[in-house]
Amino acid sequence: GESVGLHLPTLSVQEGDNSIINCAYSNSASDYFIWYKQESGKGPQFIIDIRSNMDKRQGQRVTVLLNKTVKHLSLQIAATQPGDSAVYFCAEKYAGNMLTFGGGTRLMVKP
Amino acid sequence: KAGVTQTPRYLIKTRGQQVTLSCSPISGHRSVSWYQQTPGQGLQFLFEYFSETQRNKGNFPGRFSGRQFSNSRSEMNVSTLELGDSALYLCASSLAGNSGNTIYFGEGSWLTVV
Repeated sequence: GESVGLHLPTLSVQEGDNSIINCAYSNSASDYFIWYKQESGKGPQFIIDIRSNMDKRQGQRVTVLLNKTVKHLSLQIAATQPGDSAVYFCAEKYAGNMLTFGGGTRLMVKP
Repeated sequence: KAGVTQTPRYLIKTRGQQVTLSCSPISGHRSVSWYQQTPGQGLQFLFEYFSETQRNKGNFPGRFSGRQFSNSRSEMNVSTLELGDSALYLCASSLAGNSGNTIYFGEGSWLTVV
């Protein structure tokens, strides 16, 4: 498949390390936030979400932190694996299902 | 349970032609939205349909249109194609449109305009 977003910020980590991907969102009225993972040639895959009335949510190996004061989201991936290599997008929602996406971060995991 | 299904996966069209893309949402999902993804502009919202009605619309020209059928399946159409319409078109579905309903994406339709 083709690549989208060829000039993305890149985070390079060693296999087994923890990864932290950051995202700034734009609308203080947004009430729901989602992290997606996109592999080459595929559509965005849901990872984890968080509502605005929470500041932390944990999933399997992933944690999302929300700081509404500074409009900042982060995605933490524990024990990063080669299969985690992908582009990660944060998205905010404040009307129906209209998502506004961040520019994306490319995560590269070195074996 | 099948995911969001988009057809066709790849297509090549000539400038000036029109194209129709199809999306079948996850069973039981009533909200369908469309996005355009390009290297330069990233992921951008096109429109959203819920119960056959367009509920939200992004900032795209009128050449981009869509519709939703009673079985929640959706189509989008682009008329008078331009080279800049080359992109990955993504469909997403959700149970409804309320905050907190997870939004799932399909694999997309790759459109190349030559």
